[in-house]
Amino acid sequence: GAVVSQHPSWVICKSGTSVKIECRSLDFQATTMFWYRQFPKQSLMLMATSNEGSKATYEQGVEKDKFLINHASLTLSTLTVTSAHPEDSSFYICSARGAQVTGELFFGEGSRLTVL
Amino acid sequence: AQSVSQHNHHVILSEAASLELGCNYSYGGTVNLFWYVQYPGQHLQLLLKYFSGDPLVKGIKGFEAEFIKSKFSFNLRKPSVQWSDTAEYFCAVNLGNNDMRFGAGTRLTVKP
Repeated sequence: GAVVSQHPSWVICKSGTSVKIECRSLDFQATTMFWYRQFPKQSLMLMATSNEGSKATYEQGVEKDKFLINHASLTLSTLTVTSAHPEDSSFYICSARGAQVTGELFFGEGSRLTVL
Repeated sequence: AQSVSQHNHHVILSEAASLELGCNYSYGGTVNLFWYVQYPGQHLQLLLKYFSGDPLVKGIKGFEAEFIKSKFSFNLRKPSVQWSDTAEYFCAVNLGNNDMRFGAGTRLTVKP
């Protein structure tokens, strides 16, 4: 299957700093990428949907100024957690999909963020 | 509220036991259904999916799932589990747009 890669897989940062997480589709063009947040023992919660070349669509309750998403190319989307705080510590997962709307999602490995 | 429910948070089985993980959703209309698996330390992978046609779908590694429309269910089954099936299993529903909703996940532990 198609491969989606996330980087970094884990990151520790100080409170108040910003952290960027990259999501790359390695062997296909991802017209749509999704960012999820996963709390321990809970499901994946969709944070936002990004389409290449346009602004991301954020789910209700997700601060767009806090979680900046950029989808500048068909193979790369980035999530920047700005002015991170300990409550932002979580597991962030991206997924990508090709042109078919109801097609399979391919997931990245996830990025564990710990804010001290 | 619209939701995807997985009945069991943690299932513990011995090798060769049969497995059934429940998944119910509360959406009306046409849905596409998926089961994903997350092995320890790895990313989510697709086990199987249902879009239309035969409601009994077969996936990788001997897994299958049955879509029962009247019960809004899409339960995952495997006749005989192996130690290597130890993982987290997520049921997901795609409404046909960008809205993909996941269940809370079921952790399966298979004892050797």
